[in-house]
Amino acid sequence: DAGVTQSPTHLIKTRGQQVTLRCSPKSGHDTVSWYQQALGQGPQFIFQYYEEEERQRGNFPDRFSGHQFPNYSSELNVNALLLGDSALYLCASSLLWTRDYGYTFGSGTRLTVV
Amino acid sequence: QKEVEQNSGPLSVPEGAIASLNCTYSDRGSQSFFWYRQYSGKSPELIMFIYSNGDKEDGRFTAQLNKASQYVSLLIRDSQPSDSATYLCAPGEDSSYKLIFGSGTRLLVRP
Repeated sequence: DAGVTQSPTHLIKTRGQQVTLRCSPKSGHDTVSWYQQALGQGPQFIFQYYEEEERQRGNFPDRFSGHQFPNYSSELNVNALLLGDSALYLCASSLLWTRDYGYTFGSGTRLTVV
Repeated sequence: QKEVEQNSGPLSVPEGAIASLNCTYSDRGSQSFFWYRQYSGKSPELIMFIYSNGDKEDGRFTAQLNKASQYVSLLIRDSQPSDSATYLCAPGEDSSYKLIFGSGTRLLVRP
């Protein structure tokens, strides 16, 4: 049973560029959430997708956008990259409308902006 | 601003001891609580889930929840060096199915 897969694992981008990160959820899960984790901090919620719609959003600027496809996979796009966007980006999948909705995380994408 | 407070640590315990990790949260609407373990350079891994007041045991792990005090804790019995990691507390917003994470407590188990 495949877990959550993310690609790429590492990425180096230049300030001002755009980046796309990809995520395939765990089999059977229908909801994808994206988090940003800076060094030494807990994961910060970016947004969540369900049925190809953004259900809710954290306190992140519009430079951060996403998409969910019919097969439940998802993309995170970040435009006009800033040095402060350097972080570990985590994708988490879950099954909505269940009592135990604990997220399963992918291994993450380490983004470095130079 | 909903907040989750955890002592950043490090909490250092000898091998075989009980490690006690604590978490307080501000959102009284939180009904479900999750504990994650995160090894350095790795992604978080779910280890416990609790939504009823009281204790829930799973192997060497016990989660304790007191909703009136807005407090949740994780006890690790017979701590092993392999338990050395950062432990993240995550209250859930049941209305939105969103997890809010604390900054985590770093646990060091000394051989």
